Amino acid sequence: DAGVIQSPRHEVTEMGQEVTLRCKPISGHNSLFWYRQTMMRGLELLIYFNNNVPIDDSGMPEDRFSAKMPNASFSTLKIQPSEPRDSAVYFCASSLRYQATQYFGPGTRLTVL
Amino acid sequence: AQTVTQSQPEMSVQEAETVTLSCTYDTSESNYYLFWYKQPPSRQMILVIRQEAYKQQNATENRFSVNFQKAAKSFSLKISDSQLGDTAMYFCAFMSPGGSNYKLTFGKGTLLTVNP
Repeated sequence: DAGVIQSPRHEVTEMGQEVTLRCKPISGHNSLFWYRQTMMRGLELLIYFNNNVPIDDSGMPEDRFSAKMPNASFSTLKIQPSEPRDSAVYFCASSLRYQATQYFGPGTRLTVL
Repeated sequence: AQTVTQSQPEMSVQEAETVTLSCTYDTSESNYYLFWYKQPPSRQMILVIRQEAYKQQNATENRFSVNFQKAAKSFSLKISDSQLGDTAMYFCAFMSPGGSNYKLTFGKGTLLTVNP
């Protein structure tokens, strides 16, 4: 079975540009999570969805960040405009609703110059 | 708010030996889950083992086992017969599924190096 798929794996952009990260959860999973990993703050939850509906976005750092889940098999995390402090690894994870175990994608390493 | 503490930033072990990674957590919840995730240099987050708080029996997965001490809020990971491929960052994580909150709270991680 395919795991969680994220694209791109690496993204290098310049400050001020729009960045879109993509995620395809495991088929049949109906909860999806976006995490960010930095040296300073470790792994932190940005937002999560149940059945395509955002449930908790309290971790989204500011209005420059937005996330959507238009259907059960696709989600995007957008940063507009991007800033150097957004440089991090962004993970998408999915799980069955009400099941505790989350399965992570390979992550997207974002570098904003 | 829940917190997870991993007090060992780095550890090393010789191949084939046993090593134990420590984790403590703080919560007022009675129903929760604990996890160990492994992050090798490829940066993929891989689930190693999980423990349900209501289960008294410690979870095991092949060479990996946990020592879950609920009263002490301690959740250590033991790796037996260490292999070079076990070299990775190990994260302890907590989840309390109260209400609609299923987020994982992670510790800062322990970098484990297995030496040949």
